[in-house]
Amino acid sequence: EIVLTQSPGTLSLSPGERATLSCRASQSLSSDHLAWYQQKPGQAPRLLIYAASARATGISDRFSGSGSGTDFTLTISRLEPEDFAVYFCQQYSDSRTFGQGTRLEI
Amino acid sequence: QVTLKESGPALVKPTQTLTLTCSFSGFSLSTRGMRVSWLRQPPGKAPEWLARIDWDDDKFYSTSLRTRLTVSKDTSKNEVVLTMTNMDPADTATYYCARMADIIGDYFDYWGQGTLVTVSS
Repeated sequence: EIVLTQSPGTLSLSPGERATLSCRASQSLSSDHLAWYQQKPGQAPRLLIYAASARATGISDRFSGSGSGTDFTLTISRLEPEDFAVYFCQQYSDSRTFGQGTRLEI
Repeated sequence: QVTLKESGPALVKPTQTLTLTCSFSGFSLSTRGMRVSWLRQPPGKAPEWLARIDWDDDKFYSTSLRTRLTVSKDTSKNEVVLTMTNMDPADTATYYCARMADIIGDYFDYWGQGTLVTVSS
């Protein structure tokens, strides 16, 4: 099973700042099969990024994904108040597994 | 627009069988490439993928839970059903169904609101 490790566990930033979230896979992901989700309290996860860098429908261009192989990054430029949430990465190179999440707090 | 909604019991006793229904609209599970998955998320933890059913009735299960899970679909009703046998308190979680529409990508583009299932005697 591919294990995804996200860092940091918690990221404390202010609105207007830039957030950089990391996701590292225990083995290389084929074809950059990695997605990112945002989850707010009491809500289902929302797809932000798929194929490592493709934005999902309706997602702001403040969200960008990058990386390949085993190291991937989600960047949120100019944080808005509504961006403070938990973020999960998910690989679909070999079955489907999620990272443990990064909490982005004000 | 695409919507999914889970329904089922909020409370089950240990050893019982859980049956959940996912009712969806805005897409057809008979369309080539369409798939629906079930996932669960214990409080404060990451989601865990459980099972998937495809437009052609192919079915896939989590390796660790394979012996306890069954997924089926009723295309005419736009429903997908998940059964999980021998429930345990460790199975307490919010259960989600989610759509997968990219034939080359197993990511989840639309999710239901989730239904919290508590396993307790």
